[in-house]
Amino acid sequence: AQKVTQAQTEISVVEKEDVTLDCVYETRDTTYYLFWYKQPPSGELVFLIRRNSFDEQNEISGRYSWNFQKSTSSFNFTITASQVVDSAVYFCALSTLYNQGGKLIFGQGTELSVKP
Amino acid sequence: DAGVTQSPTHLIKTRGQQVTLRCSPKSGHDTVSWYQQALGQGPQFIFQYYEEEERQRGNFPDRFSGHQFPNYSSELNVNALLLGDSALYLCASSRQGYNEQFFGPGTRLTVL
Repeated sequence: AQKVTQAQTEISVVEKEDVTLDCVYETRDTTYYLFWYKQPPSGELVFLIRRNSFDEQNEISGRYSWNFQKSTSSFNFTITASQVVDSAVYFCALSTLYNQGGKLIFGQGTELSVKP
Repeated sequence: DAGVTQSPTHLIKTRGQQVTLRCSPKSGHDTVSWYQQALGQGPQFIFQYYEEEERQRGNFPDRFSGHQFPNYSSELNVNALLLGDSALYLCASSRQGYNEQFFGPGTRLTVL
């Protein structure tokens, strides 16, 4: 079975703090994809990143960085110098079908609140 | 370049009624997936359409059905509505062979 666990339900930080959102996944497939999406209050899910199971390189995009570790089945997301606009619900997701844009299995989400 | 669009934005129905939700994919996309997101939960996959056929289905009853049109737009139909069907329904589009799914703003369905 495939599963994504985001143990942190809510996180509250003060602006400019760094924050890490945890994601642990389960799958028996050797080929899979991991995603992070941001859901602001408007409701639309905004794609942030995709990582495939064969690429364990960490990635940095501006204030965002992702740490993928197959040994611990984790794909954590760090926001450096958080801003109020980062306040949203963040979802980690897993896809185990390639070439077909396979279904996404989402975690429960982590609600991030960044206070000024 | 328009993104994924959904209509209507909000909908209120009563138990037992039927509802149809609509989705237009992002330009260049040919695959449409539907998700149900209950309050405080992550989205749950309902089904996916490609080439006008249902290709994958999640753990949802037959009351949930769909359709894809030749222009790749899609409809989600829910019959015999239950209170538990109240949720945000999200449509996502993608291109065959590519894994990224792009989501629309969703339709908020309330069943009274």
